[in-house]
Amino acid sequence: EIVLTQSPGTLSLSPGERATLSCRASQSVSSNYLAWYQQKPGQAPRLLIYGASSRATGIPDRFSGSGSGTDFTLTISRLEPEDFAVYYCQQYGSSPRTFGPGTKVDIK
Amino acid sequence: QVQLQESGPGLVKPSETLSLTCTVSGGSISTYYWSWVRQPPGKGLEWIGYVYYSGSTNYNPSLKSRVTISVDTSKNQFSLRLSSVTTADTAVYYCARPLTYRSSSDAFDIWGRGTMVSVSS
Repeated sequence: EIVLTQSPGTLSLSPGERATLSCRASQSVSSNYLAWYQQKPGQAPRLLIYGASSRATGIPDRFSGSGSGTDFTLTISRLEPEDFAVYYCQQYGSSPRTFGPGTKVDIK
Repeated sequence: QVQLQESGPGLVKPSETLSLTCTVSGGSISTYYWSWVRQPPGKGLEWIGYVYYSGSTNYNPSLKSRVTISVDTSKNQFSLRLSSVTTADTAVYYCARPLTYRSSSDAFDIWGRGTMVSVSS
């Protein structure tokens, strides 16, 4: 099973600032099948990025994903008020599919 | 626009079987791999398993001995059964669909709203 580690656990930033979230895998993620989700309280996760760097439909271009192998990054170029949430990475290249523990982005 | 809706009891007794159904509306259940994902209160996400419209399945080894996921194409539904539940199975249970049809290896772009299931006597 691929274990995903996310850092930091919490990121305290102000609107307009840049957010950089990290996801590290215990072994190489097959075909860079790595996704990022955003989750707000009481809501289902929302797909932001798939294939490590492809934005899902309707996702603003301030969200970008990068990385390969075992190290991946989600960058939010300028935080908007609606971006404060928890972000999860997920690998879907091998079974079982696994998620990271999440990074909470909160308002400083 | 495809939508997913989970349904089932919100309270299950320890040692009993949790049963949930996900109804697919706005599209066909055919040609997709349909998953269940759960999230204990205040914690992260755990993939439970998937079922293909043909009936083939793949389960998380951590739950494999207790899980059955099945599909009913005539009703456009798929279901989750989790046996011998304990308080550790208390969670919000989501059903989810991947981006691409016929792909078992894909991100989940459509999610149900989730249903809270508590295990308690």
